[in-house]
Amino acid sequence: EAGVAQSPRYKIIEKRQSVAFWCNPISGHATLYWYQQILGQGPKLLIQFQNNGVVDDSQLPKDRFSAERLKGVDSTLKIQPAKLEDSAVYLCASSQKQGSGNTIYFGEGSWLTVV
Amino acid sequence: LAKTTQPISMDSYEGQEVNITCSHNNIATNDYITWYQQFPSQGPRFIIQGYKTKVTNEVASLFIPADRKSSTLSLPRVSLSDTAVYYCLVGVPRDTDKLIFGTGTRLQVFP
Repeated sequence: EAGVAQSPRYKIIEKRQSVAFWCNPISGHATLYWYQQILGQGPKLLIQFQNNGVVDDSQLPKDRFSAERLKGVDSTLKIQPAKLEDSAVYLCASSQKQGSGNTIYFGEGSWLTVV
Repeated sequence: LAKTTQPISMDSYEGQEVNITCSHNNIATNDYITWYQQFPSQGPRFIIQGYKTKVTNEVASLFIPADRKSSTLSLPRVSLSDTAVYYCLVGVPRDTDKLIFGTGTRLQVFP
């Protein structure tokens, strides 16, 4: 079974530039998540989709971050304009459905460095 | 959502058994306990999940006492490749699978 695919794997941009990350979840997984992981910390949820609808985006900095999941499959996370503090790994994850006890599968992440 | 507390770091040697304890005093009735493993440059990987008593799989065992206020991840005979950060997560609400990660336990295995 193919895992969660993410691209690009690494990205270096200057502050105030924009960047977009792409995620393809595991086939059949209805729930998709984007997490931000700053070095030395645990992942922090940015946004959760159920099919193509947003379930939770309470921790997404909406003035600069946006995400969409058109057609309920692939998803894109965009940052515009980027700040130095956005340097982090952006992890995409998916799960089959909502509900207590369901496991979540993570991709390898997209490493962003803002200089 | 229940908050978890686990040691920041642990050291071990190859071949030893490692037990990482996580406390979650405010665990709710419907909550599960899930452990994830994260290697450098990779996303977290599911290790094991349980609700009560003991769960065992090919990778680890999870011990949960009757009051469920803590849990222990047991890794038998660790190897160098078990060096990673281990996260304990608790408190999956009924309506969502939102996971709240703490800082985890950084396990270093020495030869």
